[in-house]
Amino acid sequence: GAVVSQHPSWVICKSGTSVKIECRSLDFQATTMFWYRQFPKQSLMLMATSNEGSKATYEQGVEKDKFLINHASLTLSTLTVTSAHPEDSSFYICSASQGPDGYTFGSGTRLTVV
Amino acid sequence: RKEVEQDPGPFNVPEGATVAFNCTYSNSASQSFFWYRQDCRKEPKLLMSVYSSGNEDGRFTAQLNRASQYISLLIRDSKLSDSATYLCVVNGVGSQGNLIFGKGTKLSVKP
Repeated sequence: GAVVSQHPSWVICKSGTSVKIECRSLDFQATTMFWYRQFPKQSLMLMATSNEGSKATYEQGVEKDKFLINHASLTLSTLTVTSAHPEDSSFYICSASQGPDGYTFGSGTRLTVV
Repeated sequence: RKEVEQDPGPFNVPEGATVAFNCTYSNSASQSFFWYRQDCRKEPKLLMSVYSSGNEDGRFTAQLNRASQYISLLIRDSKLSDSATYLCVVNGVGSQGNLIFGKGTKLSVKP
């Protein structure tokens, strides 16, 4: 079946540094990739939708200059958390759409900012 | 009103019990509905899609009532391995197809 590889699976970084998270679709082309984050005991919340070759669409309240999304190819989308702060500590997960009912999730990245 | 609302849980049940989860969604134009399962610190995994006619997969039965904007999941003969958080998920109408997740209901099956 379709696989989305997400790296790293966990990362600890110092406050003020940037962290890049990668999602690769291994055996299919992902024209659309969704980025979610999940705080403890909360639901997954959509942060942004990225389309290959165009600018990402950010949800209300998500700072586009802080969460940089690049979807330069049909198999790779990246999320960079810039100048990370402790409140950015969360579980970040990507999902690729293969059609109306087909969604494949990455394994998630647990970010801890100290 | 939240877009997708679920029973708050947690549900603590003995092995072999039957347990039911309920979910309501706010957008009547939603077209696709799912139940996902999420284990602690893991990505959500699709359990089953939900259709108007209702669908069953082994011990799991999902129902959709469009008029009431209500979705349910029934688990029969629950196993220890069913312990997880169950997420009610609806597709985002008017978007490019993103999923909208409920907060999830935690199920703990005890021996």
